Amino acid sequence: DQQVKQNSPSLSVQEGRISILNCDYTNSMFDYFLWYKKYPAEGPTFLISISSIKDKNEDGRFTVFLNKSAKHLSLHIVPSQPGDSAVYFCAASARGSGTYKYIFGTGTRLKVLA
Amino acid sequence: DTEVTQTPKHLVMGMTNKKSLKCEQHMGHRAMYWYKQKAKKPPELMFVYSYEKLSINESVPSRFSPECPNSSLLNLHLHALQPEDSALYLCASTPGRPLYEQYFGPGTRLTVT
Repeated sequence: DQQVKQNSPSLSVQEGRISILNCDYTNSMFDYFLWYKKYPAEGPTFLISISSIKDKNEDGRFTVFLNKSAKHLSLHIVPSQPGDSAVYFCAASARGSGTYKYIFGTGTRLKVLA
Repeated sequence: DTEVTQTPKHLVMGMTNKKSLKCEQHMGHRAMYWYKQKAKKPPELMFVYSYEKLSINESVPSRFSPECPNSSLLNLHLHALQPEDSALYLCASTPGRPLYEQYFGPGTRLTVT
């Protein structure tokens, strides 16, 4: 049972345009969400997170939106740069459970075209 | 400083060998994790230590043995591995309440021959 899903395995965007990466989840207990960027053979790099008490969090070029009723979150990258080309994972956690467990989505490969 | 370090970077071992992976963080984080990642797949949780106690074991085979000697250090002892255990092994840490941002190390690329 895949509790966190990223339905688009890949995405191509022109440099300077907006990249929108999507993530859906099924477990209503999830209350904290993170986005990671990963290059091949490296560990994931933390980008941005959002708590379920918010619907938006912004950090520079990265904005995460959370729609709890739809159990959907998205990562917006504006403007997209060639260096953003990587695999992006969303992850979810149920902080209330106290287990410190994170569930990862399957990833979306973003390619930013120069 | 959000650095998690892992050694070695690469490891090749035979199926009868015993080896260990090491992870270290000096951020005062109280939860530490081992993940396994295969190509084109998400990180797969193996173990979680919370306040130096094993809190989650995701039904990992006993040929993988975790150890948390202190709050900064996490080891993964490997013995009698199989070729299908070849993967990128990632360590991560989390501050704990109220912050939950999880930081990963660069990983150890393990090849079992």
